[in-house]
Amino acid sequence: DAGVTQSPTHLIKTRGQQVTLRCSPKSGHDTVSWYQQALGQGPQFIFQYYEEEERQRGNFPDRFSGHQFPNYSSELNVNALLLGDSALYLCASSSYSGFLPGGYTFGSGTRLTVV
Amino acid sequence: RKEVEQDPGPFNVPEGATVAFNCTYSNSASQSFFWYRQDCRKEPKLLMSVYSSGNEDGRFTAQLNRASQYISLLIRDSKLSDSATYLCVVNRAYGGATNKLIFGTGTLLAVQP
Repeated sequence: DAGVTQSPTHLIKTRGQQVTLRCSPKSGHDTVSWYQQALGQGPQFIFQYYEEEERQRGNFPDRFSGHQFPNYSSELNVNALLLGDSALYLCASSSYSGFLPGGYTFGSGTRLTVV
Repeated sequence: RKEVEQDPGPFNVPEGATVAFNCTYSNSASQSFFWYRQDCRKEPKLLMSVYSSGNEDGRFTAQLNRASQYISLLIRDSKLSDSATYLCVVNRAYGGATNKLIFGTGTLLAVQP
């Protein structure tokens, strides 16, 4: 049973560049949420996608954008990278049809370093 | 003020000790409550859900007090393998079936031999 797959696992970018992170949800899940986890902090909600639309958004600037594809996979794009964007980016998949306890499955994350 | 607040830690305890983590949440619309465990440089994994009646899973006991908006986790007979960051998490629902998880900062537990 394939869980959530994220790529790449690690990435180093320069300030001002753009980056795209990818996520394939768990089989049977149709909703993808993205989280940013800075060092020493808990994950912070970026946004959630369902039916190829952004359904919820956290307190992140427009530099952060996303997309969901018909196969439910998703991308997170960050433009004009800042040093403060360095973090672990986590993707979590779930089923929109009803929230169940423990219904979120997290990927192992992409560690982004901005230099 | 953060929506979910936890003890800052770190907690350094000897093997066999009992350790308690506390957490408060500020939004009364929060609907579901959880403790997640996160090992160093790994993704968070669900440890247990938290119910008002209290629930136990082996050495772990979780409790929710909705009136006080307070959540707790008790670990008895600590093992070296319990060393990790423990994240207090609430789930808040919005219109339709949309919901999101809101995480606390996490408390680092280090169990010493």
